[in-house]
Amino acid sequence: GESVGLHLPTLSVQEGDNSIINCAYSNSASDYFIWYKQESGKGPQFIIDIRSNMDKRQGQRVTVLLNKTVKHLSLQIAATQPGDSAVYFCAENIRTSYDKVIFGPGTSLSVIP
Amino acid sequence: KAGVTQTPRYLIKTRGQQVTLSCSPISGHRSVSWYQQTPGQGLQFLFEYFSETQRNKGNFPGRFSGRQFSNSRSEMNVSTLELGDSALYLCASKPGGSLETQYFGPGTRLLVL
Repeated sequence: GESVGLHLPTLSVQEGDNSIINCAYSNSASDYFIWYKQESGKGPQFIIDIRSNMDKRQGQRVTVLLNKTVKHLSLQIAATQPGDSAVYFCAENIRTSYDKVIFGPGTSLSVIP
Repeated sequence: KAGVTQTPRYLIKTRGQQVTLSCSPISGHRSVSWYQQTPGQGLQFLFEYFSETQRNKGNFPGRFSGRQFSNSRSEMNVSTLELGDSALYLCASKPGGSLETQYFGPGTRLLVL
């Protein structure tokens, strides 16, 4: 079926280091992108979003970069903390008759204290 | 505002039974989407309801159905359960327009024996 992103990788990062999570999306018509964080036993939680007319957006400790030329999205987490350990999903929003959201397979981030 | 709520949180059923899951969206949100999450397939879109009408549908068999009430609460039904239906079922709500962020509930964990 349709999918965004690569195979589910695992990223291990030392506490205090920066993390970079990557995602490739599939549809050139996608105009809105969202990053979610999912902790064990919980539903996905919104982190940050970016529209296709932007290439960078910053939040608190997080930055999303969008490269439309190569259809690539990345999430950067500064000064990674143990509480950042989770699965991170990118999602693309394709506007057809109505919005269609496709999620990537996710990346598991493990923070080493 | 209260977040998205889902009931029940956990459910055990046997093959051939049917199940109904419930979702209450964030107050004021008129769009409710349902997703199935499994380790093998990731997050897969089931359907979206807006103003009591299904306006988007994923690639799931007809055993999966849903509805939305006038207060925007939504139910999802799975008939003739199969072992492969074991999954985390998530619902997400948003106001209902375009390029809006979806907010997820905690999910219902369904185990089919």
